[in-house]
Amino acid sequence: DTAVSQTPKYLVTQMGNDKSIKCEQNLGHDTMYWYKQDSKKFLKIMFSYNNKELIINETVPNRFSPKSPDKAHLNLHINSLELGDSAVYFCASSQEEGWPEAFFGQGTRLTVV
Amino acid sequence: GQSLEQPSEVTAVEGAIVQINCTYQTSGFYGLSWYQQHDGGAPTFLSYNGLDGLEETGRFSSFLSRSDSYGYLLLQELQMKDSASYFCAVRDGGDSWGKLQFGAGTQVVVTP
Repeated sequence: DTAVSQTPKYLVTQMGNDKSIKCEQNLGHDTMYWYKQDSKKFLKIMFSYNNKELIINETVPNRFSPKSPDKAHLNLHINSLELGDSAVYFCASSQEEGWPEAFFGQGTRLTVV
Repeated sequence: GQSLEQPSEVTAVEGAIVQINCTYQTSGFYGLSWYQQHDGGAPTFLSYNGLDGLEETGRFSSFLSRSDSYGYLLLQELQMKDSASYFCAVRDGGDSWGKLQFGAGTQVVVTP
């Protein structure tokens, strides 16, 4: 029974397209995150939601729009995809804001061609 | 701003001990976490230090010195399966409350 699941695992798409990545957690956690991991493995936080409310929005292009329909789900929609968006995107959750232990999904490898 | 520094790569043989250091600079500080990530996998939580001292979990231990803004992860009795990237992460404070910021990661390569 997967704690944090995100779909799809792989996504290959052309520049200019719009795509979404879905994430769900069944841990009952209050806080969910999106992280981007680049080719050098640097993990950078993009967004954080607490109980469906946006609490952290890093300097991310507004082509990226997170949506949290309820506290168990945090989806990421990306408009007008660019080559530089190619990366692995991880969804994560934690018991509460800033909790040191976060649970990560298996990642979505996005390749923009 | 804030920064975390850790070595980019460490190589060691099976059975050896490896220490991965992490120094940090943050506006506020609430603790240091460590995560492991195998190639193609997700980061998984290993340990957390909120207070100074050593935390031991099996073959892995983590240490924190708040006065030195420094911590380390100690991997003992290295096994081939320990080959992975290890990240330190800071639970920040102030304007960054709620954010878990990661270092760039240390690639540990275990050789036979």
